[in-house]
Amino acid sequence: NAGVTQTPKFQVLKTGQSMTLQCAQDMNHNSMYWYRQDPGMGLRLIYYSASEGTTDKGEVPNGYNVSRLNKREFSLRLESAAPSQTSVYFCASSGTLTGESRGYTFGSGTRLTVV
Amino acid sequence: QQPVQSPQAVILREGEDAVINCSSSKALYSVHWYRQKHGEAPVFLMILLKGGEQKGHEKISASFNEKKQQSSLYLTASQLSYSGTYFCGTGSNLIFGKGTKLSVKP
Repeated sequence: NAGVTQTPKFQVLKTGQSMTLQCAQDMNHNSMYWYRQDPGMGLRLIYYSASEGTTDKGEVPNGYNVSRLNKREFSLRLESAAPSQTSVYFCASSGTLTGESRGYTFGSGTRLTVV
Repeated sequence: QQPVQSPQAVILREGEDAVINCSSSKALYSVHWYRQKHGEAPVFLMILLKGGEQKGHEKISASFNEKKQQSSLYLTASQLSYSGTYFCGTGSNLIFGKGTKLSVKP
């Protein structure tokens, strides 16, 4: 099925460990995004990529890095995980930065726990 | 800047109506609306691009008032399937509000 695929779905890390969350879309979208969702906080934008070759910080970029590997793939890296990074992470994509006409399509999420 | 949604939560009986509001302190050029069911990803409902324009999705419609920098989502004759958390998003790279939890009871 066409859409946004995230891996892994679940992950437990120890404080200080590193990991990369993977995201791929097959809708030929130009723009991709990483959000985190915490109870009562809504969805907060971590980083985004308006088009292949560009990345920009969102609302809460500290402690994260991203790579737009190609038009399909956008990865999120935690270099040294902290308990405050325990969250559900969503990747999303859209045809344009403003998401006109069809909005954003979200992946199913990665549930990350840092102990 | 994060848009503000109200109310934070609402409980309805099937068939009742509800309104969810989204306001911003910054000028709005577009507003997105999404619904998220528990344990699932947010799903796009609609986008409003022009001032005062109303759009619809099932029995869900929305309005957008550029001058007031706000949007409202209208759910009429609610169904059990409408339960979930509704988010509005604004800006060229979407910034979402904290959400409104809607519960529809039989």
